[in-house]
Amino acid sequence: DGGITQSPKYLFRKEGQNVTLSCEQNLNHDAMYWYRQDPGQGLRLIYYSQIVNDFQKGDIAEGYSVSREKKESFPLTVTSAQKNPTAFYLCASSIPGTGGSGELFFGEGSRLTVL
Amino acid sequence: ILNVEQSPQSLHVQEGDSTNFTCSFPSSNFYALHWYRWETAKSPEALFVMTLNGDEKKKGRISATLNTKEGYSYLYIKGSQPEDSATYLCAPGRRSWGKLQFGAGTQVVVTP
Repeated sequence: DGGITQSPKYLFRKEGQNVTLSCEQNLNHDAMYWYRQDPGQGLRLIYYSQIVNDFQKGDIAEGYSVSREKKESFPLTVTSAQKNPTAFYLCASSIPGTGGSGELFFGEGSRLTVL
Repeated sequence: ILNVEQSPQSLHVQEGDSTNFTCSFPSSNFYALHWYRWETAKSPEALFVMTLNGDEKKKGRISATLNTKEGYSYLYIKGSQPEDSATYLCAPGRRSWGKLQFGAGTQVVVTP
């Protein structure tokens, strides 16, 4: 079945460590996104990529990095520079639509806890 | 960053009752409005993508309306069922590709 796979589902990290969250899609979508969710807040955009080898910062990119070497994959690294990394992370993909009209398809998320 | 407000934050509905809730957003440079349903332990799923002022969409017992001039959208659930229990997210998009702004959601709990 086509979809988006995120791993791991749960991750614990010690302060000062970098961690990488995986996101793979087999929907043949050009665009991919990373969102962060905190309690009581809407999903906030971290990074997005419209095409392979290109990506742009979202609203809260500080302390995060991404790569887009393959169409299917958009891993997110949470670096030690991210001051408050404990959160729920969602990956999504879409067929690009002008002005944000492309419907998003989401993974099931990864919950990162910093100890 | 857009200021997107969803109200109420949560609501409890008896099975069989109808309900509705609101998404408010700045109307300038509007291009599209997305609604997603997010059930516990699952992925958010798209309900509607709306682009035109006055647009109305329907999927089963769920429908939505859009007013782009005043910057709001309503989502209606007719004859609520327990399977409608979820958080409903709205996300307007502006005239810049890929930039949806999500509201905090309305959590709906339908009790038998």
